[in-house]
Amino acid sequence: KAGVTQTPRYLIKTRGQQVTLSCSPISGHRSVSWYQQTPGQGLQFLFEYFSETQRNKGNFPGRFSGRQFSNSRSEMNVSTLELGDSALYLCASKDGGYGYTFGSGTRLTVV
Amino acid sequence: GEDVEQSLFLSVREGDSSVINCTYTDSSSTYLYWYKQEPGAGLQLLTYIFSNMDMKQDQRLTVLLNKKDKHLSLRIADTQTGDSAIYFCAESIQEYSTLTFGKGTMLLVSP
Repeated sequence: KAGVTQTPRYLIKTRGQQVTLSCSPISGHRSVSWYQQTPGQGLQFLFEYFSETQRNKGNFPGRFSGRQFSNSRSEMNVSTLELGDSALYLCASKDGGYGYTFGSGTRLTVV
Repeated sequence: GEDVEQSLFLSVREGDSSVINCTYTDSSSTYLYWYKQEPGAGLQLLTYIFSNMDMKQDQRLTVLLNKKDKHLSLRIADTQTGDSAIYFCAESIQEYSTLTFGKGTMLLVSP
């Protein structure tokens, strides 16, 4: 089985721009979660989608949004980028079993 | 609220045992996980334990859970240089609940 695929791996954006990150979960996995990882705050939960519905949401501003498609692929969008949004964004998928399987992440740098 | 704490750094010699400790505050935590992150990579699920277990062994890995003290540990036997990475402890209340992570313990294994 292919793992969780995140694209792109690296991204550089300018303050004020918006960005869309993509995540393809493991085939058959219906739950997709997103986490932000920074040196200062560590790993923080953004949101989780299950069968195209947002099931949980973390404590992030409305500039952060996401969606899930019928094939379980998910995207997250960040609008009006700020320098503090620079981070590694990790996607994870799950369907039964225990523990989430994480992708390699997208490294976003905002300049 | 939920909080997971870990020591930040551990240094051992190759061949020794490593013990990484974690404490959590949410007594409702049902699932406890250990993830490994190598440089530039995502998170790899190493092992997990349910709150009704005291111990779990998986090859070189031994997880011990003291539910009374809310203390979790990961022991790596015969530590190798390839084990050098950041190890994250995480907890969730239910199988599909969000993960709350500690800040991670950097394990450095010297030859």
